[in-house]
Amino acid sequence: EPEVTQTPSHQVTQMGQEVILRCVPISNHLYFYWYRQILGQKVEFLVSFYNNEISEKSEIFDDQFSVERPDGSNFTLKIRSTKLEDSAMYFCASSFIGTSQPQHFGDGTRLSIL
Amino acid sequence: QKEVEQDPGPLSVPEGAIVSLNCTYSNSAFQYFMWYRQYSRKGPELLMYTYSSGNKEDGRFTAQVDKSSKYISLFIRDSQPSDSATYLCAFMDSNYQLIWGAGTKLIIKP
Repeated sequence: EPEVTQTPSHQVTQMGQEVILRCVPISNHLYFYWYRQILGQKVEFLVSFYNNEISEKSEIFDDQFSVERPDGSNFTLKIRSTKLEDSAMYFCASSFIGTSQPQHFGDGTRLSIL
Repeated sequence: QKEVEQDPGPLSVPEGAIVSLNCTYSNSAFQYFMWYRQYSRKGPELLMYTYSSGNKEDGRFTAQVDKSSKYISLFIRDSQPSDSATYLCAFMDSNYQLIWGAGTKLIIKP
């Protein structure tokens, strides 16, 4: 069964550094998403992406964050000037045509900011 | 009032029991209703997806939606130790964003 893959599984970064989280969505999916889950808290929506542009973003997704689809397969989340509170699990998801379709998730990247 | 309420558990039941998991919500604009299962150190895995009131069955799993009362349920029949996981309800709002419950930790005892 096709799946969303994320790399790396765990990223440790010094505070203030930039980090790029990578995702390969399911190949025929057209909508892409990033979510985060701080330890012990709910999953939170960050951003949705379609046709090479952001469709929706939450209040969390400020100028520190950016997303990109650099080629036909990868979807990345860049976090600039990382802060301690950016430590969380980051999940990538994708869905087929139409944002009302169910979203399928990768296993996440655990980001630890020191 | 929180937008989504879900009892975090843990809920511990013996193998073979019927499990009932529930979420309540307050936002009438929610259009699509989902249940995800999340094993430790894994991403959410879609179990059930529905958009209408009523029941939807898939194997041992039944999802129930009551829009008038604003609650959804997931029933697991003949529960197995492998069903031990955290179960997350999720709702899609009018902006197609997923709004999540806190997750219920389920433990099936052999």
